[in-house]
Amino acid sequence: DAGITQSPRHKVTETGTPVTLRCHQTENHRYMYWYRQDPGHGLRLIHYSYGVKDTDKGEVSDGYSVSRSKTEDFLLTLESATSSQTSVYFCAISDGGPGNQPQHFGDGTRLSIL
Amino acid sequence: QKEVEQNSGPLSVPEGAIASLNCTYSDRGSQSFFWYRQYSGKSPELIMFIYSNGDKEDGRFTAQLNKASQYVSLLIRDSQPSDSATYLCAGLVSGGYNKLIFGAGTRLAVHP
Repeated sequence: DAGITQSPRHKVTETGTPVTLRCHQTENHRYMYWYRQDPGHGLRLIHYSYGVKDTDKGEVSDGYSVSRSKTEDFLLTLESATSSQTSVYFCAISDGGPGNQPQHFGDGTRLSIL
Repeated sequence: QKEVEQNSGPLSVPEGAIASLNCTYSDRGSQSFFWYRQYSGKSPELIMFIYSNGDKEDGRFTAQLNKASQYVSLLIRDSQPSDSATYLCAGLVSGGYNKLIFGAGTRLAVHP
């Protein structure tokens, strides 16, 4: 399995609080991605990174920010969590762009916002 | 809005049969497609990827791509109960974007 660790694995928090999810990889892959998965919607891309300090938005980026200060870490932050952000969040990595190299996923973080 | 469509299922097949999973996509310029398997409560795991028209085989799995008709399929031969999972199809967004669009997945149930 690809060396991807997501933390925390589960989190329950209240509306309006900040939340940060961490993705750590040991593969030295250039690309890292954050997805959310909701019933009936499949996986939707939130943000992705193509290198240290290089990030771009996905299809559902509103309300989320990311940072990548080191190759191995990609952080997803919900500045002020809302109930609509209750979801399962997956981090993925790939050695090259998604057209050239497949993505491999972490185990996910189940986030509940009350 | 670029989309990847899959029948949600469940697709029920008997053990030993061929399971056929289908996916259509709206982005005519999309060049690369991926199939992932996801067990309940687990993360997606890559099964196959296909870039060219035609068939690509890997063990019991065959991916088929028809760019003219804009569909991708996955065939699973000699289906086993352990193949019971949700299968996600994903396509690369054309235009130089480093993004995949995922379908919502098809649930496959293989019964003994």
